[in-house]
Amino acid sequence: GAVVSQHPSRVICKSGTSVKIECRSLDFQATTMFWYRQFPKQSLMLMATSNEGSKATYEQGVEKDKFLINHASLTLSTLTVTSAHPEDSSFYICSAWTSRADTQYFGPGTRLTVL
Amino acid sequence: AQTVTQSQPEMSVQEAETVTLSCTYDTSESDYYLFWYKQPPSRQMILVIRQEAYKQQNATENRFSVNFQKAAKSFSLKISDSQLGDAAMYFCAYRSARSGGGADGLTFGKGTHLIIQP
Repeated sequence: GAVVSQHPSRVICKSGTSVKIECRSLDFQATTMFWYRQFPKQSLMLMATSNEGSKATYEQGVEKDKFLINHASLTLSTLTVTSAHPEDSSFYICSAWTSRADTQYFGPGTRLTVL
Repeated sequence: AQTVTQSQPEMSVQEAETVTLSCTYDTSESDYYLFWYKQPPSRQMILVIRQEAYKQQNATENRFSVNFQKAAKSFSLKISDSQLGDAAMYFCAYRSARSGGGADGLTFGKGTHLIIQP
């Protein structure tokens, strides 16, 4: 149990285009989902917190107009990178939190490469 | 703001031996959670062990145990009988204990690359 999926696992896009990444909790309902970013050989940095049905809360320094987050249901959150640039290339990881276990379960991540 | 520090970028241990990974943190909060996560080459984050700050007893999960020193703000991970499958990046993480439900995101350390020598 407690499986979180992400789609796509890898995406390559041209500079200036937008990319959407989906995060799904497959066998549980997640009140809260988190989005992290991990640069090569570095740690995970929290980008934003999303609660179902409300606006996401962004960490300091994260552009909310560039990284659009939608948490439309208790099992789905999406991250849209708008007008992507090469510096947005990174590994994006989501996690889903369930109050039942009070635990964050992580997705497998999405590698974004912007050319 | 909370910070998590892992001072060992890389550690190496012989198979079947014991290794300890260090983690210190800084916080003004009295109630919080601490975690160790494993990230193998697949990049999938795997929860190894978790510790509630209000619990004095150190958490244990099979071959993995922690030494939690709240006053010293230290949270080390001991891996006994190291196995080849333990090779990975290990991240120490902090989470505030929020009252009234809900959860905050995790603050991670920079990680320790654990190498297992056969």
